[in-house]
Amino acid sequence: GNSVTQMEGPVTLSEEAFLTINCTYTATGYPSLFWYVQYPGEGLQLLLKATKADDKGSNKGFEATYRKETTSFHLEKGSVQVSDSAVYFCALSPGNQFYFGTGTSLTVIP
Amino acid sequence: GAVVSQHPSRVICKSGTSVKIECRSLDFQATTMFWYRQFPKQSLMLMATSNEGSKATYEQGVEKDKFLINHASLTLSTLTVTSAHPEDSSFYICSARELSGRNTEAFFGQGTRLTVV
Repeated sequence: GNSVTQMEGPVTLSEEAFLTINCTYTATGYPSLFWYVQYPGEGLQLLLKATKADDKGSNKGFEATYRKETTSFHLEKGSVQVSDSAVYFCALSPGNQFYFGTGTSLTVIP
Repeated sequence: GAVVSQHPSRVICKSGTSVKIECRSLDFQATTMFWYRQFPKQSLMLMATSNEGSKATYEQGVEKDKFLINHASLTLSTLTVTSAHPEDSSFYICSARELSGRNTEAFFGQGTRLTVV
């Protein structure tokens, strides 16, 4: 079946620290992979995506590489800011439907 | 990117009443919309898939008579929580895909915070 496993939070980092949020998946076929971000009280916004193996998605300093051999799509950012504080969801989509991880809450302190 | 508008963003209702939540795709046509429920500090739980012009497909464990979904047009889907109870209090989010196929992202509404008192 299809599922996504994310590292559990919450994660607290100091400003300018390096961020990694781990995400692994199981899937039938060849899904597209996504990272969504949710700010307090809001819906989800697409952060980045990758549609095939070895693709790297990037946006706003965040990156994630579609690793088929390790079935992973880890999210990274070299230097986080206070404004990056949010909940991050890893997701996969083999077709029409989305499967989400449980979300990882990130708090960045000045 | 495409915009999905969800309304209302916040609603408080009395136990036993019904609440309707609207989800609109503003600049694209969505043949399929999805309704999710999110409990505090948890992930999104897919409730149902709404297909324009046909009956919604509900996930296992979701009461279709309680959560009525209507997808009357290519730009509008509604979720009605009937005879709401405090345990229905939650954050409800809709999403829509612009085109079918795995290579397109889903666009999400802003969410609706429902509180049943």
